[in-house]
Amino acid sequence: QQQVKQSPQSLIVQKGGISIINCAYENTAFDYFPWYQQFPGKGPALLIAIRPDVSEKKEGRFTISFNKSAKQFSLHIMDSQPGDSATYFCAASMDSNYQLIWGAGTKLIIKP
Amino acid sequence: DAGVTQSPTHLIKTRGQQVTLRCSPKSGHDTVSWYQQALGQGPQFIFQYYEEEERQRGNFPDRFSGHQFPNYSSELNVNALLLGDSALYLCASSLGRREGTQYFGPGTRLLVL
Repeated sequence: QQQVKQSPQSLIVQKGGISIINCAYENTAFDYFPWYQQFPGKGPALLIAIRPDVSEKKEGRFTISFNKSAKQFSLHIMDSQPGDSATYFCAASMDSNYQLIWGAGTKLIIKP
Repeated sequence: DAGVTQSPTHLIKTRGQQVTLRCSPKSGHDTVSWYQQALGQGPQFIFQYYEEEERQRGNFPDRFSGHQFPNYSSELNVNALLLGDSALYLCASSLGRREGTQYFGPGTRLLVL
């Protein structure tokens, strides 16, 4: 019930394309769903986060789509750039300041 | 404004030894959370400190302990190190109120031989 399942494990996208990463959860008590970006040798950095009362949130080229009934959420990166190459993690929590339950990560490579 | 800082950046220990990792939170933050990230995996929550007390704890043995100081900085202590404790240890800081976003430091890479 505490798991967050993330797919795919790795993803290669051409420059300018759309990158899509998916996550699924089981615990309906989760109330906060962030996405983090991590570069090698660095700590995770918050990209964008959503709560279940909205179905979509957009910040620049990054969009979270949220499907409460399916217990799924996804990250879309529009116009993907080589600088977006990193590992992306979804997470879930009962509050943004509560323990985060993380997915296993997706290694994204953007080919020039 | 300094972000979350952690020390040391890298550490090598042998099995059975003890280690102390340190974290200074982002300015204005009063809550510190610790996570363990094994290679190729997502972080796992260890515990969270607020007002110098352990407020939440994940599924980690008692060998993992912590402390928070009056200036909100924190230490993570691991006793009787095992090979499996080799990981990146991440510290995150936030405000203690609900909806405080967690900001992460660069981590301490621990290798146990």
